[in-house]
Amino acid sequence: ETGVTQSPTHLIKTRGQQVTLRCSSQSGHNTVSWYQQALGQGPQFIFQYYREEENGRGNFPPRFSGLQFPNYSSELNVNALELDDSALYLCASSPHVGSGGRPDTQYFGPGTRLTVL
Amino acid sequence: GDSVTQMEGPVTLSEEAFLTINCTYTATGYPSLFWYVQYPGEGLQLLLKATKADDKGSNKGFEATYRKETTSFHLEKGSVQVSDSAVYFCALLPTGGSYIPTFGRGTSLIVHP
Repeated sequence: ETGVTQSPTHLIKTRGQQVTLRCSSQSGHNTVSWYQQALGQGPQFIFQYYREEENGRGNFPPRFSGLQFPNYSSELNVNALELDDSALYLCASSPHVGSGGRPDTQYFGPGTRLTVL
Repeated sequence: GDSVTQMEGPVTLSEEAFLTINCTYTATGYPSLFWYVQYPGEGLQLLLKATKADDKGSNKGFEATYRKETTSFHLEKGSVQVSDSAVYFCALLPTGGSYIPTFGRGTSLIVHP
């Protein structure tokens, strides 16, 4: 069974640029969530995708956007990069369970370290 | 809104010492509770979880009990090893509404030989 994978591992960008981060979910998982983890902090929820639609969003501006593909892989796009966007970006996948379709336990990838200069 | 509060770190222990990392939460309803561990330069790994009151999650010698009356989910281990040195995150997942997870700020554990 393949776990959650993310690419690239590291990335350096300059202010104002745009970036795309990629995530492949664990086999059998149809829900993907993205988090931003600043140095020394806990992960902050950006948004979640289920069946290719956004299914919840944290307190992040619209320049953070995403996609989920039919194979449940996902992308995080960040436009107009700012210095404060420098962080570890984590992707987590989970299965949806129950008649209410709520997400279950999340499994994390290794993250992408983004540095904005 | 939901919140998770963890004890400030770093927690510094000698090998074979007893470990407790406190975690309390604020949430409506009955969330699921989790402990994750993060080693340097890596993503988060699920350590254990509990989904209802009085449940005890356990894994690799770590334990935590879901205490609804005190809204707590403290992490314990009877005898820590140097390899347990990492950052530990407590998290909750609501079981209704938005299903947006909330993480604590993390507690760094340093274990000396």
